[in-house]
Amino acid sequence: DTGVSQDPRHKITKRGQNVTFRCDPISEHNRLYWYRQTLGQGPEFLTYFQNEAQLEKSRLLSDRFSAERPKGSFSTLEIQRTEQGDSAMYLCASSRDRANEKLFFGSGTQLSVL
Amino acid sequence: KNEVEQSPQNLTAQEGEFITINCSYSVGISALHWLQQHPGGGIVSLFMLSSGKKKHGRLIATINIQEKHSSLHITASHPRDSAVYICAAILTNTDKLIFGTGTRLQVFP
Repeated sequence: DTGVSQDPRHKITKRGQNVTFRCDPISEHNRLYWYRQTLGQGPEFLTYFQNEAQLEKSRLLSDRFSAERPKGSFSTLEIQRTEQGDSAMYLCASSRDRANEKLFFGSGTQLSVL
Repeated sequence: KNEVEQSPQNLTAQEGEFITINCSYSVGISALHWLQQHPGGGIVSLFMLSSGKKKHGRLIATINIQEKHSSLHITASHPRDSAVYICAAILTNTDKLIFGTGTRLQVFP
């Protein structure tokens, strides 16, 4: 399978715990995007990378959120001290270079904070 | 007011009907994506367009940059077309996508 893969598919955690999600983009895709989607809403932009450089970060992301793409391949999104409002589907997408090329999405990580 | 708005929010149709979903935006964009999302979360890119019209099978997407409007049309709709359709605009001079809230389409046999 050469698509975008995300791990885990589902994560249930208690409020206050830290969680980390992983995204493996399509190989040779330089751009990697993180989005968040809540029920009944369209996805919201969180952040994106060009290779290992984080180019933009949404104001939606508080200091509890951090994302990395250390070697320009896979990326991790960490949420510290989770809150119930963090419950959402976290989506990863990749493209070859720019957003005006075809985007490929992973299946997402569904986070539930109890 | 959202920067990207879609209409209608929900749409039901009988199999075979012609479907139109609209997307309007209030910001400067370089291009726009149409995406399809099935239950369970998987999102598939249908089209990316910056001008004119694109066609793929029974799907047609159009965009009018001056009028800040795009449409997705489905001809001869089928129950398997049932999904949420989302437009996402690429802001000018960035690679940031702003998403619409989606249109939930149900096609009944």
